[in-house]
Amino acid sequence: GQSLEQPSEVTAVEGAIVQINCTYQTSGFYGLSWYQQHDGGAPTFLSYNALDGLEETGRFSSFLSRSDSYGYLLLQELQMKDSASYFCAGDTGRRALTFGSGTRLQVQP
Amino acid sequence: SAVISQKPSRDICQRGTSLTIQCQVDSQVTMMFWYRQQPGQSLTLIATANQGSEATYESGFVIDKFPISRPNLTFSTLTVSNMSPEDSSIYLCSVVLSGSKKETQYFGPGTRLLVL
Repeated sequence: GQSLEQPSEVTAVEGAIVQINCTYQTSGFYGLSWYQQHDGGAPTFLSYNALDGLEETGRFSSFLSRSDSYGYLLLQELQMKDSASYFCAGDTGRRALTFGSGTRLQVQP
Repeated sequence: SAVISQKPSRDICQRGTSLTIQCQVDSQVTMMFWYRQQPGQSLTLIATANQGSEATYESGFVIDKFPISRPNLTFSTLTVSNMSPEDSSIYLCSVVLSGSKKETQYFGPGTRLLVL
């Protein structure tokens, strides 16, 4: 089976840096994705790590360490519009992704 | 990217009735999925919609309760049958575009269902 655990909530101030962690337990693992979902909206794809290491996309970076069964999403220069829920999602080679428990990020002025 | 539409966007239904949700994509896709999401919760995969054949259901979901059709590459329906209040949720379809990686899924806007 597969489960991906995340902190339920994270709070940070505008302009700061925040890290959202994702730990997983799975019998097989190919990579880790990250999705953002604003209240009332649909999830949108942010990044994907197929290999260990850091992937950078603008203000967002994502990291994966398969030996530690751990990944994180790093958001820099936080803006109010970054307030949303963030989900990690694991790829075990099945046709669909399994989504983590989700982290609600609150950005304060 | 892709434009994905779902109908209806929301509905209020009586228990014991059924509702069919439609998902239409404006691009060719390789995979289509149906998820369920309770407010404030994560996404739970219901099934993979297979073109021209029976859907592949996840543990805890059965065809009699959630029949799915996918007559072509860009359209799918999910029916929530014999509804109970426990079926109140947001139902989302998602797709993987042709030529894209599975990890990059595009989601429809969702259908908000309330069963009384």
